[in-house]
Amino acid sequence: QSALTQPPSASGSPGQSVTISCTGTRSDVGGYNYVSWFQQHPGKAPKLMIYEVTKRPSGVPDRFSGSKSGNTASLTVSGLRAEDEADYYCSSYVGSNNHVVFGGGTKLTVL
Amino acid sequence: QVQLVQSGTEVKKPGASVKVSCKASGYTFTSYAIHWVRQAPGQRLEWMGWINAGKGNTKYSQKFQARVTITRDTSASTAFMELSSLISEDTAVYYCARGGPVAGSDWGQGTLVTVSS
Repeated sequence: QSALTQPPSASGSPGQSVTISCTGTRSDVGGYNYVSWFQQHPGKAPKLMIYEVTKRPSGVPDRFSGSKSGNTASLTVSGLRAEDEADYYCSSYVGSNNHVVFGGGTKLTVL
Repeated sequence: QVQLVQSGTEVKKPGASVKVSCKASGYTFTSYAIHWVRQAPGQRLEWMGWINAGKGNTKYSQKFQARVTITRDTSASTAFMELSSLISEDTAVYYCARGGPVAGSDWGQGTLVTVSS
């Protein structure tokens, strides 16, 4: 199972919006609504930011939103803040074998 | 509140095995799956496998299929991940995470496993 494809880096200035893409196949991202997004700061465990494509766990700011079109999911961070600078990983269920796959990760820099 | 507490740092020699534990509290252990995810230094998150804590059935990533065993002890609300035939490339932080079909919002603190001769 190959990793989902994410851009290695993304950036934006405070207050701006940035969108990170996550491309898979019909067997994972395109076939199921089990796409999640995780934020990870250095030395910390991943934190769930979006689940089931568009849902936000309690406590996650509504500046974070998720969407999906075909085999590509996206995470949008609006009103960028310094604390949003982190690595972001997408994840998807893989229905053909009941597995899970992660993306390669995107380093978000707040300029 | 939900907590997943993992066992401590391990240092192993090449060829050895390591067994990491993940003790759950704050929820009904058998109602969720436990996923295992690892992260080598400077690398991406990598899914290893999961166990249905209720039924005990497992699924493993093809990459680790031959070397990983995930088990659970329902009486202790604890899941275990054992990785055998360790090589230096297995040096990583290993995480457990509560979830359903995918890992969810509750993760352990991570266990550093270092493989070195």
